[in-house]
Amino acid sequence: SQQGEEDPQALSIQEGENATMNCSYKTSINNLQWYRQNSGRGLVHLILIRSNEREKHSGRLRVTLDTSKKSSSLLITASRAADTASYFCATDAGRGNAGKSTFGDGTTLTVKP
Amino acid sequence: DAGITQSPRHKVTETGTPVTLRCHQTENHRYMYWYRQDPGHGLRLIHYSYGVKDTDKGEVSDGYSVSRSKTEDFLLTLESATSSQTSVYFCAISRESGAAQPQHFGDGTRLSIL
Repeated sequence: SQQGEEDPQALSIQEGENATMNCSYKTSINNLQWYRQNSGRGLVHLILIRSNEREKHSGRLRVTLDTSKKSSSLLITASRAADTASYFCATDAGRGNAGKSTFGDGTTLTVKP
Repeated sequence: DAGITQSPRHKVTETGTPVTLRCHQTENHRYMYWYRQDPGHGLRLIHYSYGVKDTDKGEVSDGYSVSRSKTEDFLLTLESATSSQTSVYFCAISRESGAAQPQHFGDGTRLSIL
């Protein structure tokens, strides 16, 4: 069964608006990662947040983690048409798991120019 | 971009035939992974490797085998392909495990089994 589940499944916004995607997971984690996938391409790593961190920023990306609710959110500010892609969260239980990550089903983001 | 090459990029074959997909990396990373991605879904782990000749099963390993005879190459074999194995296959690499390490992905192999 999937560890991470993204919400919503699909999101359509206008350029310049903010986009928020959520990820919920079931078991304790050591870290959570967000990836982007453009159509026809492999996943690209965006940001990693450790279980002892609550918020992390990278450019126009802001990730939060609430371990008590077993959830994370990815905020993309001032979205651009180039942000159109699918976004996946991946959880990693850490030591002894050979770096394995469990991926959710993703949120498909469409940014209209 | 991380140096990961998957071959072939596209393949069409018939049910019952053997198929081998190749992942080649130039990063000298220890860990390599094979995933499949089906429409509207995330990635599911098939097999992974934590070193030369060291491999283990993932979530959906039935019908697949892997081999890693060199650090840079990780092969995925479908011994007798079935239509349910039609999918896009992604290879990924990471430097280490345990600690938080991102995975770097190839651009995938689109496999169709008729």
